[in-house]
Amino acid sequence: AQTVTQSQPEMSVQEAETVTLSCTYDTSESDYYLFWYKQPPSRQMILVIRQEAYKQQNATENRFSVNFQKAAKSFSLKISDSQLGDAAMYFCAYRSAEETSGSRLTFGEGTQLTVNP
Amino acid sequence: DTGVSQNPRHKITKRGQNVTFRCDPISEHNRLYWYRQTLGQGPEFLTYFQNEAQLEKSRLLSDRFSAERPKGSFSTLEIQRTEQGDSAMYLCASSPRALRTNEKLFFGSGTQLSVL
Repeated sequence: AQTVTQSQPEMSVQEAETVTLSCTYDTSESDYYLFWYKQPPSRQMILVIRQEAYKQQNATENRFSVNFQKAAKSFSLKISDSQLGDAAMYFCAYRSAEETSGSRLTFGEGTQLTVNP
Repeated sequence: DTGVSQNPRHKITKRGQNVTFRCDPISEHNRLYWYRQTLGQGPEFLTYFQNEAQLEKSRLLSDRFSAERPKGSFSTLEIQRTEQGDSAMYLCASSPRALRTNEKLFFGSGTQLSVL
């Protein structure tokens, strides 16, 4: 079974600064997808960024980028120019590309990000 | 696109009572998912539907839990004989087609269940 680990329960960053959230995962599969989701106080999970394991190029979405290290099974999220609205719980998630198990996401424990003005 | 809607937003019940939650996915999304999230943890997969067919169930879904999706539209999740350990947020999500194609999930705001 796949597992996702986020070793930072809490992180803080000053507004306009850069912060990196860590995520590691364990899998025996070679084809899969990785995601970062944001959960603000409204509780609605919002997709921030996604990465296909077969792509070597790191995904980027505006101020959000990832550092995907497949051999190390590491998938960190970098938030540049942090804004107050970035404050939320961030979850790293894994999804298999296998047909029989590709319907479910496996989430990490989450990292609570605080943005200080 | 009005988003995934979940009702009620909060539910307080006494141990042993039955509860039912409802999820209305984004229209034309044929895939619907239920997750459970306990305090301080990430969501855990419970079950998923393709149209009206329940195709996958987690071991977390004990025999006290039942989910339905009649006519492939809205879904209900019922918990019978609730226990204090059932206290959690129950999240619903939908997607327009097979996740294998890297479609993203659209989540609702969840139903927070408290069992006293």
